[in-house]
Amino acid sequence: DIQMTQSPSSLSASVGDRVTITCRASQSISSYLNWYQQNPGKAPKLLIYAASSLQSGVPSRFSGSGSGTDFTLTISSLQPEDFATYYCQQSYSVPWTFGQGTKVDIK
Amino acid sequence: QVQLQESGPGLVKPSGTLSLTCDVSGGSISSSYWWSWVRQPPGKGLEWIGEIYHSGSTNYNPSLKSRVTISLDKSKNQFSLKLSSVTAADTAVYYCARGNIMVRGGKYYHYMDVWGKGTTVTVSS
Repeated sequence: DIQMTQSPSSLSASVGDRVTITCRASQSISSYLNWYQQNPGKAPKLLIYAASSLQSGVPSRFSGSGSGTDFTLTISSLQPEDFATYYCQQSYSVPWTFGQGTKVDIK
Repeated sequence: QVQLQESGPGLVKPSGTLSLTCDVSGGSISSSYWWSWVRQPPGKGLEWIGEIYHSGSTNYNPSLKSRVTISLDKSKNQFSLKLSSVTAADTAVYYCARGNIMVRGGKYYHYMDVWGKGTTVTVSS
């Protein structure tokens, strides 16, 4: 199985901050990387697919980059509704695997 | 727009079989998508369980493969999950999700773009 490792596991930030979350794969996965946002008690929501493609309806302050083993999710200006947990997920090979999550909370 | 809704018993006895159904509305389960199950133990991260294509082809997580069956019911526009020989470690919120495919540059990119709200299953006697 491909292992996905996110860093940091948690971070504190303020509204308006630029936030960057990193995801590393245990082997090269090209651009087969998705990002999800999950609020407490809610289902995950797709933000980014294929490493950098923004899902329809997702605000443009979210962006993704990277290829191979290292990927980044960036929130350009953190909004109150962005305080949540973020997961990366590889779609290079079955079984699809997720990172352990990065919790973004209010500083 | 497509919506998914999980249903099934919230309590299952140890060694029993967990059975869940995902109703698909606003679209056809016979469309060219993968239909997935993902679970999340309390306070933990996401674990992909498996998926089924509209043709009936399946992929399962090897860690659960011996205990998992995912099936389609096209007449009811729903798909199902059965997990046998459950233990307390199978206690989780179970989500169904739609797996979509984007083709770009000859490559097939898979992502889960529509999710149900989730249903909590507790394994306990």
